[in-house]
Amino acid sequence: SQTIHQWPATLVQPVGSPLSLECTVEGTSNPNLYWYRQAAGRGLQLLFYSVGIGQISSEVPQNLSASRPQDRQFILSSKKLLLSDSGFYLCAWSRAGGRSPLHFGNGTRLTVT
Amino acid sequence: AQSVTQLGSHVSVSEGALVLLRCKYSSSVPPYLFWYVQYPNQGLQLLLKYTSAATLVKGINGFEAEFKKSETSFHLTKPSAHMSDAAEYFCAVSDSSGSRLTFGEGTQLTVNP
Repeated sequence: SQTIHQWPATLVQPVGSPLSLECTVEGTSNPNLYWYRQAAGRGLQLLFYSVGIGQISSEVPQNLSASRPQDRQFILSSKKLLLSDSGFYLCAWSRAGGRSPLHFGNGTRLTVT
Repeated sequence: AQSVTQLGSHVSVSEGALVLLRCKYSSSVPPYLFWYVQYPNQGLQLLLKYTSAATLVKGINGFEAEFKKSETSFHLTKPSAHMSDAAEYFCAVSDSSGSRLTFGEGTQLTVNP
């Protein structure tokens, strides 16, 4: 069966510090991978998605970036965090091709102080 | 472009009462529609999906949803609410490429004893 791992579960970082959140998927090959952000009391905002190694699509301009160095690894990064980057970050995967559901990790609660 | 609107950001029901969470969609192609549930500080879990087969879709935990093309709706129902159903619920629609889901703003369900 497929599993998705996302870490860390919680993170407190000062403004201006770097960020690296990691997500890995097991049990499937060539998945579509996604990073979503959920701000307090709001819905989910798609940040990045990837349909293959090195292929990243950015949905919103911001100071975050994403990379996919391996087939089942997706990394969310920032060189300098802003207060507005606080939120709940969710990684997800879906099967390639067709309109299949997303499967989510347990999320990372990021607080920028 | 695809979009979903969830009608009502908060719904409160008594234990044992009918649960009805409303979702309306807009799509330029035949839609694939999904309902997800999110418990506090966790990722989203798929409840059910509509993929152009039966219009009445049964999901996990006793939930079901009916696709009504004439009303562009995909409302989620459960005949009898349990305390454990208290969570946030998200409706989502897949885009024509199948690589992205667009989520509604979410509906917080409260179940009163």
